[in-house]
Amino acid sequence: GAVVSQHPSRVICKSGTSVKIECRSLDFQATTMFWYRQFPKQSLMLMATSNEGSKATYEQGVEKDKFLINHASLTLSTLTVTSAHPEDSSFYICSAPSGGAHEQYFGPGTRLTVT
Amino acid sequence: EDQVTQSPEALRLQEGESSSLNCSYTVSGLRGLFWYRQDPGKGPEFLFTLYSAGEEKEKERLKATLTKKESFLHITAPKPEDSATYLCAVAPGGGNKLTFGTGTQLKVEL
Repeated sequence: GAVVSQHPSRVICKSGTSVKIECRSLDFQATTMFWYRQFPKQSLMLMATSNEGSKATYEQGVEKDKFLINHASLTLSTLTVTSAHPEDSSFYICSAPSGGAHEQYFGPGTRLTVT
Repeated sequence: EDQVTQSPEALRLQEGESSSLNCSYTVSGLRGLFWYRQDPGKGPEFLFTLYSAGEEKEKERLKATLTKKESFLHITAPKPEDSATYLCAVAPGGGNKLTFGTGTQLKVEL
């Protein structure tokens, strides 16, 4: 199956700082990638759709100035959490569709803790 | 608005005790229904895609089925290593976005 990686797997940062999370498709190209966040014991909530070469599409209620997305190449999308606050602490996961059926393959996730 | 409801929220089974997980959905023209397995602290792992009512897919002890309103994930003779949260998601016709259910947390005990 298709492999998606994320870096870092865990990050702790201080309130007010920015954090960048990378999502890479390792063995396939992805013109679209998706970013989710997941709170403990809850399901995945789609934050935004990352589009290679164009602006990301954000879901309702997601602040695009706070969660900056850049899809710089066919294998890399980045999510930058700007001016992070403790309420931004969460599990962030990316995914990319692959294959004719367009099933999405997920990265291992990034645990963000803002102190 | 697309909706996915999974039941039960949690399920505890003895090793070898078969059972089924349910996923009820409403969607604007189903492009696909997806089952994922998620272990604690990890991203979801793809299991199955189902496209149309009547379709079935199997993988080891797991079998997924689909009707026009719901999908079942049957677990036959489960083992402790099958313990995980199982997530169901749907994609509408013409779109790539997935709408997830809240999952069923399965624990299989010896």
